[in-house]
Amino acid sequence: QSLLTQAPSASGTPGQTVTISCSGNISNIGKNFVHWYQQFPGTAPKLLIYRNDRRPSGVPDRFSASKSDTSASLAFSGLRSEDEADYYCASWDDGLSGWVFGGGTKLTVL
Amino acid sequence: QVQLVQSAAEVKKSGASVKVSCKASGYTFTDYGLSWVRQAPGQGLEWMGNISGYNDNAKYAQKFEGRVILTADPLTSTGFMELRSLRADDSAVYYCARDLSFEFWGQGTLITVS
Repeated sequence: QSLLTQAPSASGTPGQTVTISCSGNISNIGKNFVHWYQQFPGTAPKLLIYRNDRRPSGVPDRFSASKSDTSASLAFSGLRSEDEADYYCASWDDGLSGWVFGGGTKLTVL
Repeated sequence: QVQLVQSAAEVKKSGASVKVSCKASGYTFTDYGLSWVRQAPGQGLEWMGNISGYNDNAKYAQKFEGRVILTADPLTSTGFMELRSLRADDSAVYYCARDLSFEFWGQGTLITVS
């Protein structure tokens, strides 16, 4: 069972705004940065958001993220069919002295 | 450009050991650590541990303590992950990723334990 909790699935229609969440605790999200990754089947994860809300170069600005207390969220504005993928959050956990991942959210574009 | 290139897939018998390599290029190896993350079929990502790029300082997830050994060779800019006493549930894709935000990932190495 993952220390960071994500809903297993989410869905939306093209053009819609969809948000997925990641819930942790004071030892991880509460004190440390949250990063988000996008993964397509059969490929390595790709960094989508780092340090809570920063986009690496090349990531469109329709992806945004935020953090509040012990939770974080990733938002897709203007959902596209190519956004259909698995999304994972990650944070350092001070109690475990290690990285923890969410269980992943499978995003389906209807 | 930064690249992490991992060794090829392997099939191992239960009880054996496996060693996966991750060759880095495009950056100064000693400036960053390397983490190892695995993903079982149809499952999520699981952090195994990380190792400094400039010394032998390694940190392991509790679950893998005593069964995983991480090493790094700055001369060849290569990291290694050795997993011992393999079990069927160790069958997974193993990734290396550059610390601290896992901005860059290797292509993954499929380890199958039969």
